[in-house]
Amino acid sequence: TQLLEQSPQFLSIQEGENLTVYCNSSSVFSSLQWYRQEPGEGPVLLVTVVTGGEVKKLKRLTFQFGDARKDSSLHITAAQPGDTGLYLCAGMDSNYQLIWGAGTKLIIKP
Amino acid sequence: DAGITQSPRHKVTETGTPVTLRCHQTENHRYMYWYRQDPGHGLRLIHYSYGVKDTDKGEVSDGYSVSRSKTEDFLLTLESATSSQTSVYFCAISVQGRVGETQYFGPGTRLLVL
Repeated sequence: TQLLEQSPQFLSIQEGENLTVYCNSSSVFSSLQWYRQEPGEGPVLLVTVVTGGEVKKLKRLTFQFGDARKDSSLHITAAQPGDTGLYLCAGMDSNYQLIWGAGTKLIIKP
Repeated sequence: DAGITQSPRHKVTETGTPVTLRCHQTENHRYMYWYRQDPGHGLRLIHYSYGVKDTDKGEVSDGYSVSRSKTEDFLLTLESATSSQTSVYFCAISVQGRVGETQYFGPGTRLLVL
């Protein structure tokens, strides 16, 4: 069974701080996605990374795919209360199935 | 918003009763998925469909069945609900894009089995 481990599971920080969320696996993925989910709603795609070593930026969010395509990170600069939510990573395996991490619950306090 | 609705949005039922959840999409996407989401487990795939009458099992399919008689509707049935099936259920469709597949999710159904 392929696993995607996310860490930390929970993070509560003050507005303005920086943070990094990690997504790790022993398996290689053809692509990796990050989703954000707000309470009472379904996850919404933030970004897809495809190439080993790829870095994508979405305003204050920076996503990186590991060189070996087994891990990824999400870095948020100067976090804001609007960044609060559940962040999920999902890797596409060789059977074209999405393997999901358990999520990181992020709370940004004003 | 990919035009995905789920019904009901909330349901309370008793152990042993059958329950059917409905997912409806308006854009004729071929692939549809049912997930459950529980704390500490993320999203786990129950069943998926790749066309009318074409379905397959996911990671946690025991106790669940699905049907897809029309492109737009994907039904999930709990044949005899158990307390372990208390969860939030999400339906999703997938869209192939320039950088690969994107899944779009419905708003979820919160199910409580007493």
